[in-house]
Amino acid sequence: GEDVEQSLFLSVREGDSSVINCTYTDSSSTYLYWYKQEPGAGLQLLTYIFSNMDMKQDQRLTVLLNKKDKHLSLRIADTQTGDSAIYFCAEETGGFKTIFGAGTRLFVKA
Amino acid sequence: GAVVSQHPSRVICKSGTSVKIECRSLDFQATTMFWYRQFPKQSLMLMATSNEGSKATYEQGVEKDKFLINHASLTLSTLTVTSAHPEDSSFYICSATRQGRAGANVLTFGAGSRLTVL
Repeated sequence: GEDVEQSLFLSVREGDSSVINCTYTDSSSTYLYWYKQEPGAGLQLLTYIFSNMDMKQDQRLTVLLNKKDKHLSLRIADTQTGDSAIYFCAEETGGFKTIFGAGTRLFVKA
Repeated sequence: GAVVSQHPSRVICKSGTSVKIECRSLDFQATTMFWYRQFPKQSLMLMATSNEGSKATYEQGVEKDKFLINHASLTLSTLTVTSAHPEDSSFYICSATRQGRAGANVLTFGAGSRLTVL
């Protein structure tokens, strides 16, 4: 079945870049997403990429997609303490279903 | 932008009682809404897909008689946890789907409802 995997923790220093990686299994996914969850809150859509693209940049966020390897990454430039949160990778499968990874907890040290 | 309101944000109830959680899309119509359950430090587990005017589609292992879902209008879906037990304590999140730019299926999430069953 469909599966999305990502590492559970990442720690960076303030001002450095953060790279969160994700792998997925459904090669027919049309869109892949990155969501951010702050403590006690719902998920907030950060960005998404269409499967025929290999890169998308949006201010401090850069998404790279390697469709051959089914690998997705999110790079946050100039990471700030306010970026500390859980980041979920997700793929859209058929029927509007979205499969989420377990989330990567980003710690930003001042 | 699109907003999904979820209410209540926190609820504490006694074992055996029922609890209703509401999910409203405030500025857009949502023909499809999703209900998730999230355990501490874990990902979201999709419980069911709620379609306006029809019965919800439940994921495998989710008891439909336990978790009643009603999607009576294009802006409101409700989840009722019936005869709640302590093991039902969890963070429940809803989301509503809308078309983003370039046709992406964008999910807008509610803030979640933390249920504690004593």
